[in-house]
Amino acid sequence: QVQLVESGGGVVQPGRSLRLSCAASGFTFSAYAVHWVRQAPGKGLEWVALISYDGSNKHYADSVKGRFTISRDNSRNTLYLQMNSLRPEDTAVYYCARDLEPVLLWGPFDYWGQGTLVTVSS
Amino acid sequence: QSALTQPASVSGSPGQSITISCTGTSSDVGGYDYVSWYQQHPGKAPKLMIFEVSSRPSGVSNRFSGSKSGNTASLTISGLQAEDEADYYCSSYTSSNTLLFGTGTRVTVL
Repeated sequence: QVQLVESGGGVVQPGRSLRLSCAASGFTFSAYAVHWVRQAPGKGLEWVALISYDGSNKHYADSVKGRFTISRDNSRNTLYLQMNSLRPEDTAVYYCARDLEPVLLWGPFDYWGQGTLVTVSS
Repeated sequence: QSALTQPASVSGSPGQSITISCTGTSSDVGGYDYVSWYQQHPGKAPKLMIFEVSSRPSGVSNRFSGSKSGNTASLTISGLQAEDEADYYCSSYTSSNTLLFGTGTRVTVL
């Protein structure tokens, strides 16, 4: 069965960095675009970034552009999010999510991970 | 870019129908048929309910339906059931090559 498992969350001081990982299984990871979506405590969903199946296309929300970098290792079936210059407003549960079909790039998302909490605080 | 606009809350009695609106602009909802709807129960990951305005993924009840008129998309839940009580979010592709989510709607079954 399809599984997405995030890891790497934790408490970090403002201005520091953190790298999230999302381990995929149960499907051909290298055929699908994948995304990061975040949700601040008690707030709504916010799309963060996407990467195409082969890593050639990457897009970011304005709120993270220049600070966050999305990448993937298809040999390890793993998605990453490198987060630099973290701010308190980046505090959220971060989900990885998969596109419904291999040919898509912009969703929709049929499978989501359970999320990993990132807290940015001094 | 600001989030798409949804009502904060909608309620209905079991068996009734409710409709949740999602208002954007011609650069997102109105410009593309890439509107999706997600259901989220507390502490859980979102679940895809509708994609491409009105298509249902396999396994989603036909009590859920979607539509769009101009810059506003809508999700209708018919035959409301207790298990439908959750938060609902719309999303849309935008002309800026981003994805926007809606502000979210809390559905309460009375």
